[in-house]
Amino acid sequence: QVTLKESGPVLVKPTETLTLTCTVSGFSLSNARMGVSWIRQPPGKALEWLAHIFSNDEKSYSTSLKSRLTISKDTSKSQVVLTMTNMDPVDTATYYCARIIMVRGVTLFDYWGQGTLVTVSS
Amino acid sequence: SSELTQDPAVSVALGQTVRITCQGDSLRSYYASWYQQKPGQAPVLVIYGKNNRPSGIPDRFSGSSSGNTASLTITGAQAEDEADYYCNSRDSSGNQEVFGTGTKVTVL
Repeated sequence: QVTLKESGPVLVKPTETLTLTCTVSGFSLSNARMGVSWIRQPPGKALEWLAHIFSNDEKSYSTSLKSRLTISKDTSKSQVVLTMTNMDPVDTATYYCARIIMVRGVTLFDYWGQGTLVTVSS
Repeated sequence: SSELTQDPAVSVALGQTVRITCQGDSLRSYYASWYQQKPGQAPVLVIYGKNNRPSGIPDRFSGSSSGNTASLTITGAQAEDEADYYCNSRDSSGNQEVFGTGTKVTVL
């Protein structure tokens, strides 16, 4: 059974760095054509893709947030970590991690974590 | 362009058919995937690629694509289909993922 679970602070102050961890089970972060993405959703708004990391350590970041994001993985711990620097109240959102896989040339998010709400406030 | 545009809201009578569209330049090169999100829940994949349904997704959900537009059709909408729906694809560069603006489906 594939599961993903996000963990991290529920409240961060403006200008601080957010560190979120996604712990996965039911699959290995070394599986070919698989990876983990981070996606966020501000309250009442649309989903926004942030970054992903694949088994071969290929990484990609949202152009608009690239300067603030770092994604990494620890295969032995089955964890993917996202850091976002210089947090601002507009970054208040539910942050999801999701498994990303490639099927017939299509990338898709087939399993999602429950999400974790991060509030940015002083 | 890295944008995928959807109508903000649509409504459908119980048992009728509704089509949700997603427009963007990248859809000329890449297939879309579709996600259903109910309040307070994580999104769920309902359609991917040309017209593929993950296990457990009812066959009333189908997908299609033409030019710069991808579509999700619900044939015989049920009350439990009331949700927000998001399309997703790569952007035109192929290096990033992008989500659509979302469509709220109301079943009357």
